[in-house]
Amino acid sequence: AQSVAQPEDQVNVAEGNPLTVKCTYSVSGNPYLFWYVQYPNRGLQFLLKYITGDNLVKGSYGFEAEFNKSQTSFHLKKPSALVSDSALYFCAVRDKPSNFGNEKLTFGTGTRLTIIP
Amino acid sequence: EAGVTQFPSHSVIEKGQTVTLRCDPISGHDNLYWYRRVMGKEIKFLLHFVKESKQDESGMPNNRFLAERTGGTYSTLKVQPAELEDSGVYFCASSHRQASGMAQYFGPGTRLTVT
Repeated sequence: AQSVAQPEDQVNVAEGNPLTVKCTYSVSGNPYLFWYVQYPNRGLQFLLKYITGDNLVKGSYGFEAEFNKSQTSFHLKKPSALVSDSALYFCAVRDKPSNFGNEKLTFGTGTRLTIIP
Repeated sequence: EAGVTQFPSHSVIEKGQTVTLRCDPISGHDNLYWYRRVMGKEIKFLLHFVKESKQDESGMPNNRFLAERTGGTYSTLKVQPAELEDSGVYFCASSHRQASGMAQYFGPGTRLTVT
């Protein structure tokens, strides 16, 4: 069975500093990996995904994530944090899709990122 | 293009009552998913429709939950009778059928509180 771990419930970063939100995963085959963000009173917004190709994936709002197969990790990063980045971040993994195209996502428990002015 | 919409945004009901949640996916998306987040925990998969057919309902907690997608457009999720442990945020998501690797796009969620 697939699983995702986000080891940190809360991450605090000073504005302007680099940030990292950690994620490790477990799947039986090749993973499809995703990051989503939830701002207060909003739904989940897609940030970026890794399907295949370059290990460094770039996404929305200046975020990027690095896929590391040997460490089974997919950490979310940003070089310079903004106060507006404060939100709840979810990592998710999906098994290789079936012929119907898409399969269920398995999420981590989420990491609350707070950027301190 | 309009995003995924959900109604209502909040619902407070008493134990034993019935509640129906609605989801309107992005137009043209054949895949529709329901997920639930119980407070502080991970977001868990409930079920997956491809058009009007249930592709995977392995995450449905029990037979008090009934999901439908008549005509392959919007979907409803009914909880009857509701129990305290059903409280949480119910998310709906949709994606295009043919695009392998396509992200799922989520609605704002319905916050259900059972008292």
